[in-house]
Amino acid sequence: DAGVIQSPRHEVTEMGQEVTLRCKPISGHDYLFWYRQTMMRGLELLIYFNNNVPIDDSGMPEDRFSAKMPNASFSTLKIQPSEPRDSAVYFCASSLRTWDSFTDTQYFGPGTRLTVL
Amino acid sequence: KQEVTQIPAALSVPEGENLVLNCSFTDSAIYNLQWFRQDPGKGLTSLLLIQSSQREQTSGRLNASLDKSSGRSTLYIAASQPGDSATYLCAVMNSGYSTLTFGKGTMLLVSP
Repeated sequence: DAGVIQSPRHEVTEMGQEVTLRCKPISGHDYLFWYRQTMMRGLELLIYFNNNVPIDDSGMPEDRFSAKMPNASFSTLKIQPSEPRDSAVYFCASSLRTWDSFTDTQYFGPGTRLTVL
Repeated sequence: KQEVTQIPAALSVPEGENLVLNCSFTDSAIYNLQWFRQDPGKGLTSLLLIQSSQREQTSGRLNASLDKSSGRSTLYIAASQPGDSATYLCAVMNSGYSTLTFGKGTMLLVSP
């Protein structure tokens, strides 16, 4: 398997523009997670899906952020309008819940480095 | 709310040294604790996973321990090598499943 795929790897945009980040999870995984990483706050969970349904979006910072998962192999994270404080590395991760949940782990993509000028 | 703290934030050692990274968490109701490695510009890779009922896990030169009652874990790296240079993150899977809470990591530099 190719692992979790994210695109683009780098995005530079100007304040006020719409930004769309994309993620393809590992085939067969039933959970998908979006994280944001900054020096100040570390790695924060934004939202996660189970079987394409959003379960918890309490980490989404504000209404400018939205995420969708139209099918099991694709998810997007959209920021509209973008602001300089959104600059960060955004990671997508996926996992498969097994009968023995205690050994489950998450597999991370390489991340998208977003810079908002 | 679960909080995870890692000490030290950065560590620099000469090649060959044994070293210990520390992780503490505030809520002991966890499914498991994991140690991840992150290389610059890359994603996270899981190194070791300790189930809540276990005390330690070993993989090669790495050994991770878990003391759930005191809310602490350590990652022991034996005979460190320059290739071990990376950021190491500790994460706990909370008992509600799926959600991982991460520490901010320890940046390790092993010099030849």
